[in-house]
Amino acid sequence: AQTVTQSQPEMSVQEAETVTLSCTYDTSESDYYLFWYKQPPSRQMILVIRQEAYKQQNATENRFSVNFQKAAKSFSLKISDSQLGDAAMYFCAYRGSGGGADGLTFGKGTHLIIQP
Amino acid sequence: GAVVSQHPSRVICKSGTSVKIECRSLDFQATTMFWYRQFPKQSLMLMATSNEGSKATYEQGVEKDKFLINHASLTLSTLTVTSAHPEDSSFYICSASGLSGNTIYFGEGSWLTVV
Repeated sequence: AQTVTQSQPEMSVQEAETVTLSCTYDTSESDYYLFWYKQPPSRQMILVIRQEAYKQQNATENRFSVNFQKAAKSFSLKISDSQLGDAAMYFCAYRGSGGGADGLTFGKGTHLIIQP
Repeated sequence: GAVVSQHPSRVICKSGTSVKIECRSLDFQATTMFWYRQFPKQSLMLMATSNEGSKATYEQGVEKDKFLINHASLTLSTLTVTSAHPEDSSFYICSASGLSGNTIYFGEGSWLTVV
C-alpha cells in the first residue's frame, strides 16, 4: 500500500518570505500522480499543484513550485513571496496510475502559519 | 473549472436515525466518486470508491452496512449513514473524477453531528 509522509505538523513563515513543505511517499509503482492541496478553515479542498511522475520537469504554478525527486520519493512544495492568504493546512497526496479508479492517499498535513 | 456540489453542508441528526449526504457533479460526468472522512485536525481518510452502476468498494475497516454508498447516475453519488451514533460525527467530503481520470474535484464537504 502507498503511504504519504509529511514530517512537519506546523510551519511558520514571515510574510513575503519563502517556505518549503516536505513530503515523502512510498510506492512500488513507476507511474503515478502527486498533488498538493490547500485546505483553509472553510474546509474546501483546493488543488495547489500537480505532478505526473513520468515528467522530469518540476511543476510550477505562479508562486508555487515543487521539487520532485523520483528516486528519493520526495515531493516538496515551495511557496515564494508568502501571503497572508496562504495560511492553511497543506496536504500532500498520491494517486496511482489506475486512472479515474484510484482515490487519493493523503499525508497528515502541515499547518502553515503566515506571520505578518 | 468543474464543480462538485455536496449537500447538506451541515446536518444534525438523532442517534439511531439515518442521514443521507448527496454529492453531485454539476458540469461533467463523474464515472468515479470517492468518499472521505476527516476528523478534527486530521487528514482525509478514504472511505470508499463508487463507480456508476456498480457496488462501491470500501476501504479496510469501513463498515459497508453502516455507510451505504449509491452511485445511481453519472452525476450523483449518495452516502447514507445508517443508525448513526455520536462517534459517526465528522466531516465527510466527496470527490469526483471524470472520464479522463486526470483530475479530481472536491465537494464542499458536509458536517455531520449526531446527538
